[in-house]
Amino acid sequence: DAGVIQSPRHEVTEMGQEVTLRCKPISGHNSLFWYRQTMMRGLELLIYFNNNVPIDDSGMPEDRFSAKMPNASFSTLKIQPSEPRDSAVYFCASSFSSEKNQPQHFGDGTRLSIL
Amino acid sequence: GNSVTQMEGPVTLSEEAFLTINCTYTATGYPSLFWYVQYPGEGLQLLLKATKADDKGSNKGFEATYRKETTSFHLEKGSVQVSDSAVYFCALRGGGNKLTFGTGTQLKVEL
Repeated sequence: DAGVIQSPRHEVTEMGQEVTLRCKPISGHNSLFWYRQTMMRGLELLIYFNNNVPIDDSGMPEDRFSAKMPNASFSTLKIQPSEPRDSAVYFCASSFSSEKNQPQHFGDGTRLSIL
Repeated sequence: GNSVTQMEGPVTLSEEAFLTINCTYTATGYPSLFWYVQYPGEGLQLLLKATKADDKGSNKGFEATYRKETTSFHLEKGSVQVSDSAVYFCALRGGGNKLTFGTGTQLKVEL
């Protein structure tokens, strides 16, 4: 079975550039989550969607970050303009929303380095 | 609100030693509880789960029992291997859709 697919796996870019991270959730899952992981702050939830609708974006650090989910099989997280402090590993996860006993399934992440 | 507290790491053990990683939680109602494992350079993988009091989740020799009276979900393994070296996260899911994670505990297993 295909898991959550993220691309790219690695991204290195200069500050000020636009960065777009992509995620394909597991087919049939109706909730999608974006996380950021750093040594200093650990694992942080940035935003999550239910049925393609953003439900909670309180974790989005600032207006430079935006996320979209145009359909059930695709989501993007965009940073514009990027800054060195955005360097982190970004994870996408998906799950079924309606069942409390259902876990989230994570992708392998995008390792982002802003120079 | 919900919260999860894990023991600080890193935990360093010799191969074949017994492992316990403590996890306690605060939540309203009856959350589901999970342990995730993260190997270097990879995403989080579900290790095991328990969905109600006294349930025992198990996988790959790891076990954890949902103890409502002590609000705990400690992870145990009888004999660890070098390949178990990873970061372990305890998490809970309450009535909403979000997971609440602990800070993670790094395990290092040496020969």
